[in-house]
Amino acid sequence: AQSVTQLGSHVSVSEGALVLLRCNYSSSVPPYLFWYVQYPNQGLQLLLKYTSAATLVKGINGFEAEFKKSETSFHLTKPSAHMSDAAEYFCAVIPNSGYSTLTFGKGTMLLVSP
Amino acid sequence: DSGVTQTPKHLITATGQRVTLRCSPRSGDLSVYWYQQSLDQGLQFLIQYYNGEERAKGNILERFSAQQFPDLHSELNLSSLELGDSALYFCASSVGTAYGYTFGSGTRLTVV
Repeated sequence: AQSVTQLGSHVSVSEGALVLLRCNYSSSVPPYLFWYVQYPNQGLQLLLKYTSAATLVKGINGFEAEFKKSETSFHLTKPSAHMSDAAEYFCAVIPNSGYSTLTFGKGTMLLVSP
Repeated sequence: DSGVTQTPKHLITATGQRVTLRCSPRSGDLSVYWYQQSLDQGLQFLIQYYNGEERAKGNILERFSAQQFPDLHSELNLSSLELGDSALYFCASSVGTAYGYTFGSGTRLTVV
């Protein structure tokens, strides 16, 4: 079964610093990959997705992620953190063939300090 | 507003009771998915419906059931509720796998 591993349940950065949230997937065939963000007491919002096109994917709110097949990774980055980026971030995977449903990682809470 | 509507937003009920959670998918989406989010289990897939038919089942308890109606809205029924069923229940809809899922704002269920 497809799965994703998010390294670090909590990541702390200062405002203006680089944000790096790590995600590795387990699959012999590159799947579709997604990053979602969840603000407190809200649902999940799609940040960006990789669906076999460009390996560098740009999303909303200045986030981007790079698909690296050799490393089975899909890390999320943002050059400069803003206080409003504080939220929980989920990496998710779904096979690009056959049929399955979206499987989520355990999430990484991003804390941003002034 | 994501376009996926879930009601109610909050629900408090007693153990042993039965509740129904409702979801209206985004216009044009035929697939509806239900997820449970809890601190210890994270986001767990429960069940999927596609155009009225059950399509996939995940970690859904036998006490739970769902259906999708002709107008494509879906209901998740939870019965014989236990304290451990307290969680956030999300509904999502999708037009296709490669597009990802659009999530509603969730129903927070508290069983006391």
